[in-house]
Amino acid sequence: AQSVTQLGSHVSVSEGALVLLRCNYSSSVPPYLFWYVQYPNQGLQLLLKYTTGATLVKGINGFEAEFKKSETSFHLTKPSAHMSDAAEYFCAVIPPARGYSTLTFGKGTMLLVSP
Amino acid sequence: NAGVTQTPKFQVLKTGQSMTLQCAQDMNHEYMSWYRQDPGMGLRLIHYSVGAGITDQGEVPNGYNVSRSTTEDFPLRLLSAAPSQTSVYFCASSFRRNTEAFFGQGTRLTVV
Repeated sequence: AQSVTQLGSHVSVSEGALVLLRCNYSSSVPPYLFWYVQYPNQGLQLLLKYTTGATLVKGINGFEAEFKKSETSFHLTKPSAHMSDAAEYFCAVIPPARGYSTLTFGKGTMLLVSP
Repeated sequence: NAGVTQTPKFQVLKTGQSMTLQCAQDMNHEYMSWYRQDPGMGLRLIHYSVGAGITDQGEVPNGYNVSRSTTEDFPLRLLSAAPSQTSVYFCASSFRRNTEAFFGQGTRLTVV
């Protein structure tokens, strides 16, 4: 079974609209959850992470995500999209395999922002 | 701080050639990993290391070799390049288990 699933390979929004990128994880993995962003021809940059504590996590560039254990979800949101948010976004978990030492990634969601 | 540095940024190889992708980190991280990124596949783990002298296979290890003689360096060797190894390769490091990884800028490899 997939450790992490991202719904939608592409999401299109208008500038100023709400951004919602969906991520569901397997209940068999511990709740160490991450969102990364990748701009064209660049490496991955950490947006935000959940490990313990408050379930609403704030990240860089106005993004936030809420850990919902009952729904095994960690959806990424931003109230108002900017053109500069256009990028690919990856949700990631740390499964117990390999001693919790590596990340497993979803297949990614490309965010397209139109003027 | 340079973080995670990968070289080269771009490489074209002929089928059957071998090469080494370099990765170095200056954050004194124990954990290092290599991933490949292919369209629609996300990032898949090739090999990883939890410390100098310790390496292990990930999801897609065939055709690749690694070694970790120092904490800082984690090179990835392609033994005999195949067109299926055309991909973007990322090196990552993390401080300890259950923590985020820091990524290099990637190496775009084309095998013809």
